[in-house]
Amino acid sequence: GQQVMQIPQYQHVQEGEDFTTYCNSSTTLSNIQWYKQRPGGHPVFLIQLVKSGEVKKQKRLTFQFGEAKKNSSLHITATQTTDVGTYFCAASYGQNFVFGPGTRLSVLP
Amino acid sequence: DVKVTQSSRYLVKRTGEKVFLECVQDMDHENMFWYRQDPGLGLRLIYFSYDVKMKEKGDIPEGYSVSREKKERFSLILESASTNQTSMYLCASSRAGGPSGELFFGEGSRLTVL
Repeated sequence: GQQVMQIPQYQHVQEGEDFTTYCNSSTTLSNIQWYKQRPGGHPVFLIQLVKSGEVKKQKRLTFQFGEAKKNSSLHITATQTTDVGTYFCAASYGQNFVFGPGTRLSVLP
Repeated sequence: DVKVTQSSRYLVKRTGEKVFLECVQDMDHENMFWYRQDPGLGLRLIYFSYDVKMKEKGDIPEGYSVSREKKERFSLILESASTNQTSMYLCASSRAGGPSGELFFGEGSRLTVL
C-alpha cells in the first residue's frame, strides 16, 4: 500500500522556539489532513489542504501543501507547553487516508 | 458536537479468545473506520464502511472482521486474539463523500492479549 513519510520522529524544543514537521509522499495526493493527539488522548482534526500550493493559518500554526501535492508541512511559531503532543499527517490517495507515523513534540518550559 | 463512543477503554484477553470492540457515533455519519495505533507506526486502517451492511478491507485486515448492521454502530471482531494484536484500537467516523471529510475519533480501546 501507499506509505507516507513524516519527519522528524521526535522534536524537543524550548518554549518559544519554532517547530516544523514534514510529511512526504512518493505519489500525488488528492488532499491531506493534519491531526494532533495529546498524550493519553485521541487524534483531533486540525485542518485539510486540497489545492496545490495551499497555505492555511490557524493562529500560530501554518499549514502548507506542496506545489506538486506530494508533500506538506506544519509549522508552529513560538511553541507553548499546550502544543505538546503528536502531530500526524493523513494523506488521501483517493479512497482512504494513510496516516504518517507522526512527530512527537516536547516543549520544555 | 460529534461523539464517537467506544465501549471499552481497556481490555485484557487471553490468546484464542474472541474479542468484540464496539463503536457508536451519534451524528448520522455514513463513514466509519477502525484503526490500530502502534508506537512509531502511526494509525493503520483495518476496515472501513461507507454504508450500512457495507465493509471494505483496509491495509491490515488479517485476523479481524467487522459488522455494520446499523448506521450508528461499527463493531470490530477478533475471532481468535493473538499477542500481536495487543494495541490501541481507534474508531472514527466522518460524513459521506469518501476520503475528504474530517475524521472524528473515539477515545480508543487499549487491548492487551496475554
